[in-house]
Amino acid sequence: KQEVTQIPAALSVPEGENLVLNCSFTDSAIYNLQWFRQDPGKGLTSLLLIQSSQREQTSGRLNASLDKSSGRSTLYIAASQPGDSATYLCAVSRVNNFNKFYFGSGTKLNVKP
Amino acid sequence: SQTIHQWPATLVQPVGSPLSLECTVEGTSNPNLYWYRQAAGRGLQLLFYSVGIGQISSEVPQNLSASRPQDRQFILSSKKLLLSDSGFYLCAWSVGYAGSYEQYFGPGTRLTVT
Repeated sequence: KQEVTQIPAALSVPEGENLVLNCSFTDSAIYNLQWFRQDPGKGLTSLLLIQSSQREQTSGRLNASLDKSSGRSTLYIAASQPGDSATYLCAVSRVNNFNKFYFGSGTKLNVKP
Repeated sequence: SQTIHQWPATLVQPVGSPLSLECTVEGTSNPNLYWYRQAAGRGLQLLFYSVGIGQISSEVPQNLSASRPQDRQFILSSKKLLLSDSGFYLCAWSVGYAGSYEQYFGPGTRLTVT
Protein backbone atom coordinates (compact mmCIF):
# COMPACT_ATOMS: atom_id res chain seq x y z
CA LYS A 1 0.00 0.00 0.00
CA GLN A 2 1.20 3.52 -0.74
CA GLU A 3 1.68 5.81 2.25
CA VAL A 4 2.08 9.54 1.66
CA THR A 5 3.44 11.84 4.35
CA GLN A 6 3.71 15.61 4.35
CA ILE A 7 5.98 17.53 6.66
CA PRO A 8 5.52 19.95 8.31
CA ALA A 9 1.83 19.77 9.15
CA ALA A 10 1.75 23.53 9.58
CA LEU A 11 4.08 26.37 8.69
CA SER A 12 3.97 30.08 9.45
CA VAL A 13 6.36 32.44 7.66
CA PRO A 14 6.68 36.18 7.09
CA GLU A 15 5.84 37.55 3.68
CA GLY A 16 8.68 37.41 1.14
CA GLU A 17 10.33 34.24 2.38
CA ASN A 18 11.18 31.37 0.08
CA LEU A 19 9.87 28.10 1.47
CA VAL A 20 9.87 24.37 0.86
CA LEU A 21 7.06 21.90 1.49
CA ASN A 22 7.88 18.22 1.63
CA CYS A 23 6.05 15.11 0.47
CA SER A 24 7.34 11.56 0.89
CA PHE A 25 5.91 8.28 -0.35
CA THR A 26 6.72 4.68 0.47
CA ASP A 27 6.37 2.99 -2.95
CA SER A 28 8.71 4.45 -5.59
CA ALA A 29 6.76 2.83 -8.46
CA ILE A 30 4.65 5.92 -8.96
CA TYR A 31 2.90 7.01 -12.15
CA ASN A 32 2.16 10.65 -11.30
CA LEU A 33 2.67 13.06 -8.45
CA GLN A 34 0.36 16.04 -8.19
CA TRP A 35 0.42 19.09 -5.90
CA PHE A 36 -2.81 20.82 -4.92
CA ARG A 37 -3.87 23.90 -3.02
CA GLN A 38 -7.01 23.96 -0.85
CA ASP A 39 -8.53 27.12 0.58
CA PRO A 40 -10.81 26.74 3.64
CA GLY A 41 -14.17 25.24 2.74
CA LYS A 42 -13.24 24.91 -0.93
CA GLY A 43 -12.32 22.19 -3.38
CA LEU A 44 -8.77 21.40 -4.45
CA THR A 45 -6.97 23.41 -7.11
CA SER A 46 -4.31 21.63 -9.14
CA LEU A 47 -0.94 23.39 -9.00
CA LEU A 48 1.55 21.09 -10.69
CA LEU A 49 1.68 17.54 -11.98
CA ILE A 50 4.93 15.63 -12.41
CA GLN A 51 4.89 12.47 -14.46
CA SER A 52 7.21 9.65 -13.37
CA SER A 53 9.63 10.34 -16.24
CA GLN A 54 10.04 14.00 -15.21
CA ARG A 55 12.23 15.51 -12.50
CA GLU A 56 10.52 18.87 -12.00
CA GLN A 57 7.78 21.20 -13.11
CA THR A 58 7.51 24.97 -12.77
CA SER A 59 4.60 27.38 -12.78
CA GLY A 60 5.23 31.00 -11.90
CA ARG A 61 6.68 31.17 -8.37
CA LEU A 62 6.13 27.44 -7.83
CA ASN A 63 8.60 24.69 -8.57
CA ALA A 64 7.99 21.03 -7.79
CA SER A 65 10.69 18.40 -7.93
CA LEU A 66 10.49 14.62 -7.87
CA ASP A 67 13.07 12.08 -6.70
CA LYS A 68 11.49 8.65 -7.14
CA SER A 69 14.47 6.71 -5.84
CA SER A 70 14.30 8.43 -2.46
CA GLY A 71 10.50 8.63 -2.45
CA ARG A 72 10.37 12.40 -2.13
CA SER A 73 8.92 15.48 -3.73
CA THR A 74 9.33 19.11 -2.74
CA LEU A 75 7.22 22.13 -3.57
CA TYR A 76 9.25 25.32 -3.59
CA ILE A 77 7.39 28.63 -3.26
CA ALA A 78 9.44 31.72 -4.05
CA ALA A 79 8.81 35.12 -2.52
CA SER A 80 5.77 34.01 -0.53
CA GLN A 81 2.71 36.27 -0.32
CA PRO A 82 -0.26 36.37 2.09
CA GLY A 83 -2.42 35.07 -0.78
CA ASP A 84 -0.39 31.86 -0.71
CA SER A 85 -1.92 31.00 2.66
CA ALA A 86 -3.78 27.71 2.21
CA THR A 87 -3.37 23.98 2.76
CA TYR A 88 -1.09 22.26 0.25
CA LEU A 89 -1.62 18.58 -0.51
CA CYS A 90 0.33 16.11 -2.58
CA ALA A 91 -1.05 12.96 -4.17
CA VAL A 92 0.58 10.05 -5.98
CA SER A 93 -0.71 7.34 -8.25
CA ARG A 94 0.99 4.02 -8.80
CA VAL A 95 2.18 2.38 -11.99
CA ASN A 96 0.04 -0.71 -11.45
CA ASN A 97 -3.12 1.33 -10.83
CA PHE A 98 -2.71 4.83 -12.17
CA ASN A 99 -6.41 5.58 -11.77
CA LYS A 100 -6.14 5.57 -7.98
CA PHE A 101 -4.55 8.42 -6.02
CA TYR A 102 -3.11 8.44 -2.51
CA PHE A 103 -3.12 11.75 -0.64
CA GLY A 104 -0.99 13.16 2.12
CA SER A 105 -2.68 14.96 5.00
CA GLY A 106 -1.38 18.34 3.85
CA THR A 107 0.70 21.27 5.06
CA LYS A 108 -1.22 24.28 6.31
CA LEU A 109 0.68 27.40 5.28
CA ASN A 110 0.20 30.84 6.81
CA VAL A 111 2.08 33.72 5.24
CA LYS A 112 2.05 36.74 7.54
CA PRO A 113 1.96 40.27 6.07
CA SER B 1 -12.89 24.00 -21.39
CA GLN B 2 -13.82 21.43 -18.79
CA THR B 3 -16.09 22.13 -15.83
CA ILE B 4 -17.15 20.01 -12.89
CA HIS B 5 -20.32 20.65 -10.92
CA GLN B 6 -21.45 19.32 -7.57
CA TRP B 7 -24.74 19.82 -5.81
CA PRO B 8 -25.97 20.61 -3.37
CA ALA B 9 -23.25 22.83 -1.93
CA THR B 10 -24.40 22.22 1.64
CA LEU B 11 -26.77 19.72 3.16
CA VAL B 12 -28.08 19.06 6.66
CA GLN B 13 -29.78 15.70 7.07
CA PRO B 14 -31.08 13.74 10.08
CA VAL B 15 -29.67 10.36 11.02
CA GLY B 16 -31.43 7.58 9.13
CA SER B 17 -32.45 9.71 6.16
CA PRO B 18 -31.35 8.91 2.57
CA LEU B 19 -28.65 10.76 0.69
CA SER B 20 -28.02 11.60 -2.95
CA LEU B 21 -25.10 13.78 -4.06
CA GLU B 22 -24.56 14.45 -7.73
CA CYS B 23 -21.49 15.30 -9.75
CA THR B 24 -21.39 16.14 -13.45
CA VAL B 25 -18.48 16.95 -15.73
CA GLU B 26 -18.70 19.04 -18.89
CA GLY B 27 -16.28 19.41 -21.77
CA THR B 28 -14.65 15.98 -21.78
CA SER B 29 -15.50 12.40 -22.66
CA ASN B 30 -15.00 9.12 -20.82
CA PRO B 31 -13.38 10.65 -17.74
CA ASN B 32 -12.30 8.72 -14.68
CA LEU B 33 -14.53 9.89 -11.84
CA TYR B 34 -13.85 9.90 -8.10
CA TRP B 35 -15.65 10.50 -4.81
CA TYR B 36 -13.55 11.56 -1.81
CA ARG B 37 -14.51 12.45 1.76
CA GLN B 38 -12.58 14.89 3.89
CA ALA B 39 -13.28 14.85 7.62
CA ALA B 40 -12.61 17.99 9.62
CA GLY B 41 -8.85 18.63 9.85
CA ARG B 42 -7.97 15.44 8.04
CA GLY B 43 -6.77 14.33 4.64
CA LEU B 44 -8.77 13.01 1.72
CA GLN B 45 -10.19 9.51 1.83
CA LEU B 46 -10.96 7.91 -1.53
CA LEU B 47 -14.43 6.38 -1.38
CA PHE B 48 -15.19 5.27 -4.95
CA TYR B 49 -13.77 5.62 -8.42
CA SER B 50 -15.12 4.77 -11.86
CA VAL B 51 -13.35 4.26 -15.18
CA GLY B 52 -16.57 3.92 -17.21
CA ILE B 53 -20.36 3.75 -17.16
CA GLY B 54 -21.52 1.19 -14.62
CA GLN B 55 -17.96 0.45 -13.46
CA ILE B 56 -17.50 1.30 -9.78
CA SER B 57 -14.57 0.46 -7.51
CA SER B 58 -15.22 0.74 -3.79
CA GLU B 59 -12.26 1.59 -1.62
CA VAL B 60 -13.64 1.61 1.90
CA PRO B 61 -16.45 -0.58 3.31
CA GLN B 62 -19.09 1.84 4.50
CA ASN B 63 -22.64 3.04 4.50
CA LEU B 64 -22.36 4.62 1.06
CA SER B 65 -22.72 3.54 -2.56
CA ALA B 66 -21.93 5.11 -5.91
CA SER B 67 -23.39 4.88 -9.38
CA ARG B 68 -22.45 6.16 -12.81
CA PRO B 69 -25.59 6.15 -14.94
CA GLN B 70 -24.09 8.32 -17.68
CA ASP B 71 -20.58 8.97 -18.97
CA ARG B 72 -20.17 12.29 -17.16
CA GLN B 73 -22.45 11.78 -14.15
CA PHE B 74 -21.42 10.30 -10.83
CA ILE B 75 -23.82 9.88 -7.91
CA LEU B 76 -23.07 9.15 -4.25
CA SER B 77 -25.91 7.65 -2.25
CA SER B 78 -26.90 6.25 1.09
CA LYS B 79 -30.10 4.57 2.21
CA LYS B 80 -29.69 5.56 5.87
CA LEU B 81 -27.21 8.20 7.00
CA LEU B 82 -25.07 7.80 10.10
CA LEU B 83 -23.54 10.58 12.21
CA SER B 84 -20.13 9.42 11.00
CA ASP B 85 -21.11 10.23 7.41
CA SER B 86 -20.72 13.95 8.13
CA GLY B 87 -17.92 15.56 6.19
CA PHE B 88 -16.87 17.40 3.06
CA TYR B 89 -17.50 15.35 -0.08
CA LEU B 90 -15.44 16.05 -3.15
CA CYS B 91 -15.88 14.80 -6.69
CA ALA B 92 -12.96 14.72 -9.10
CA TRP B 93 -12.23 13.74 -12.68
CA SER B 94 -9.21 12.85 -14.78
CA VAL B 95 -8.45 11.86 -18.36
CA GLY B 96 -5.29 10.53 -19.89
CA TYR B 97 -4.09 13.54 -21.90
CA ALA B 98 -0.62 12.48 -23.02
CA GLY B 99 -0.76 9.89 -20.27
CA SER B 100 -0.89 12.48 -17.52
CA TYR B 101 -4.22 11.68 -15.78
CA GLU B 102 -4.19 14.99 -13.95
CA GLN B 103 -6.99 15.25 -11.40
CA TYR B 104 -9.45 18.15 -11.22
CA PHE B 105 -11.80 18.70 -8.31
CA GLY B 106 -15.28 20.10 -7.90
CA PRO B 107 -16.30 22.68 -5.28
CA GLY B 108 -17.49 20.06 -2.79
CA THR B 109 -20.60 19.36 -0.73
CA ARG B 110 -20.62 20.00 3.02
CA LEU B 111 -22.79 17.30 4.64
CA THR B 112 -23.86 17.55 8.27
CA VAL B 113 -25.76 14.64 9.73
CA THR B 114 -27.70 15.60 12.87
